[in-house]
Formats: sequence, C-alpha cells, structure tokens
Amino acid sequence: QVQLVESGGGVVQPGGSLRLSCEASGFTFSGYGMHWVRQAPGKGLEWVAFIPYDGSNKYYADSVKGRFTISREDSKNTLYLQMNSLRPEDTALYYCAKALPGGACGYWGQGTLVTVSS
Amino acid sequence: EIVLTQSPGTLSLSPGERATLSCRASQSVRSNYLAWYQQKPGQAPRLLIYGASSRATGIPDRFSGSGSGTDFTLTISRLEPEDFAVYYCQQYGGSPPWPFGQGTKVEI
Repeated sequence: QVQLVESGGGVVQPGGSLRLSCEASGFTFSGYGMHWVRQAPGKGLEWVAFIPYDGSNKYYADSVKGRFTISREDSKNTLYLQMNSLRPEDTALYYCAKALPGGACGYWGQGTLVTVSS
Repeated sequence: EIVLTQSPGTLSLSPGERATLSCRASQSVRSNYLAWYQQKPGQAPRLLIYGASSRATGIPDRFSGSGSGTDFTLTISRLEPEDFAVYYCQQYGGSPPWPFGQGTKVEI
C-alpha cells in the first residue's frame, strides 16, 4: 500500500533554512507527480508546490516562490522541500502527497511540523 | 489565480441527515478538475472525490460530487458519526497554483 513518511521538521529562527524529506513506498515513485501542502496551526490547507513525475517543471505558491525549492531523487524514492529565508508565517504542518494522474492529491503522509520562531 | 469559496462555514446536522456542501470558483475550473477532501482532527486529509464526481478508492457511496464550471457540490446522503469532520475543495485544472477552499466544518 502507498506510504509517505515526512521528516526534517523542527524549530528554526526567522531567516533560517530547513530541508524536508518525504520517503515513498508501495508504488512506483518515478511515475507520479508529488505535492507539498501545508497547514498552519488551527487553519486550513495551503497548496505549496508540485513537481511532475519527470521533474521537468516545478510549480510554487506565490507565498513561497523564490524561497522554497521542490525536488525529487527517484533512486531513493524521496521528495524534498528546501526552505530558505523562513518566516514566522511559514510555521505549519507540512504534508507530502502523491498526485493522481490528473493532479489531485490522492494519498497523504502524516506531516512534519515546522516552527519558525526566535 | 482561481479563488475557491466554500459555504457554509459550518453545517450543524444530526446523524442520518443529508449534508450539502458548496464550492464556488471565481473562474471556470478547467476540465472540471475539482477535488474534495475530508480531514478529521489530528489526521491527514483524505481524498474523497476527484474530477468533480469520481469517488476515490474505498470511499463509501453515500459521498457524491456534482457540478461543473464554477459551481460544485459535495453531498453526503446520510451522515454517519464518522463523517463529522472538515471538508475542503481544491481545483487542479490548468497550470498551478492549485488552491484549496477555506473549508466547511460538519458538526453534530
């Protein structure tokens, strides 16, 4: 069955960096696009970034464009999110999700918590 | 960028009743690429409906999606106790960004 396990979250000061990882299993990782979605404490879902199965293009929400970078390493079945210039408003639970062929978030991990605070 | 507006913000119903949730887009959703997700407290979201009306794997048939263009509906025909949760819509037609609506809470 599909499993997605996020890691790499933690507490970081404003202006700092973190790299999140999402290890996938139970499906052919190289054949699917992947999303990052976040949820601030007590708030709704915010789409963050998407990378197609072949990594040909990368897409970002305006709120993170120029600061975050999505990437994938198919040999390790792993998705990444490099987060630079972090702000307090980036504090959230970050989920990775496997995209269905059309793009919907078909399967979700349990999330990793990022806290940006001094 | 398409903006999704969900209504109502909160829906107060009893088990066995019918729930009707609305998601309105600021522009037409290309190819009716509209999804619905359910999220319970402390859990990750779960895909219910994709392509406006197709049920995801393992989703009971009391959940149904309908609509096209800018107006979409999620219907739960008879609420079960486990259906009380927050529901989000998301459009994923065309190039990203692919925003979510703000959510509808279905409470007892």
